[in-house]
Amino acid sequence: NAGVMQNPRHLVRRRGQEARLRCSPMKGHSHVYWYRQLPEEGLKFMVYLQKENIIDESGMPKERFSAEFPKEGPSILRIQQVVRGDSAAYFCASSLDRVIHNEQFFGPGTRLTVL
Amino acid sequence: AQKVTQAQTEISVVEKEDVTLDCVYETRDTTYYLFWYKQPPSGELVFLIRRNSFDEQNEISGRYSWNFQKSTSSFNFTITASQVVDSAVYFCALSEERTDSWGKLQFGAGTQVVVTP
Repeated sequence: NAGVMQNPRHLVRRRGQEARLRCSPMKGHSHVYWYRQLPEEGLKFMVYLQKENIIDESGMPKERFSAEFPKEGPSILRIQQVVRGDSAAYFCASSLDRVIHNEQFFGPGTRLTVL
Repeated sequence: AQKVTQAQTEISVVEKEDVTLDCVYETRDTTYYLFWYKQPPSGELVFLIRRNSFDEQNEISGRYSWNFQKSTSSFNFTITASQVVDSAVYFCALSEERTDSWGKLQFGAGTQVVVTP
């Protein structure tokens, strides 16, 4: 009964490089949420995906950020041409269903540092 | 507009003191859920409690207790007889039932609790 897995746990990139963050939801979960936690702040919703579909990306920056959740494999949050302001902890959560009484289980987070 | 307000940025207490963390939320929905999460220095998020809008009973779990008051839109959290291991950032969060909310969690800014021996 593995929980939500995220890798890498720590990622260092130089400005202009790409960052790829992976999230494997809990077994049987087909709903994935990504949140970003900037230093000294709370978590902010970025995107909600179901298998092969983006349902709500209202929290995603319009440029450089993209997310996918393919039929097979983990969900990927991709940040192109990273800037220092992208340095943050990125958390993934999964749930059995979108219905809110189903708890969202959080992964340990990926800490991205942009030099 | 901020949906969840945690007005206390940091609270420092001495071990064995009680500490209460305030959480005020804003929603037009009649069905919603409130959560508390703990984020220790190691950084992971630890789920503490989920409460639905129709259940106003206060809850106690060990040294933790929660006071849900719909009339004041508050969901406060008390740690009794605090311990050093309680030192962490505590987040309150709201999830609304509306279709366009999709169950996403809206977090407060968090309250840093520092417990000194």
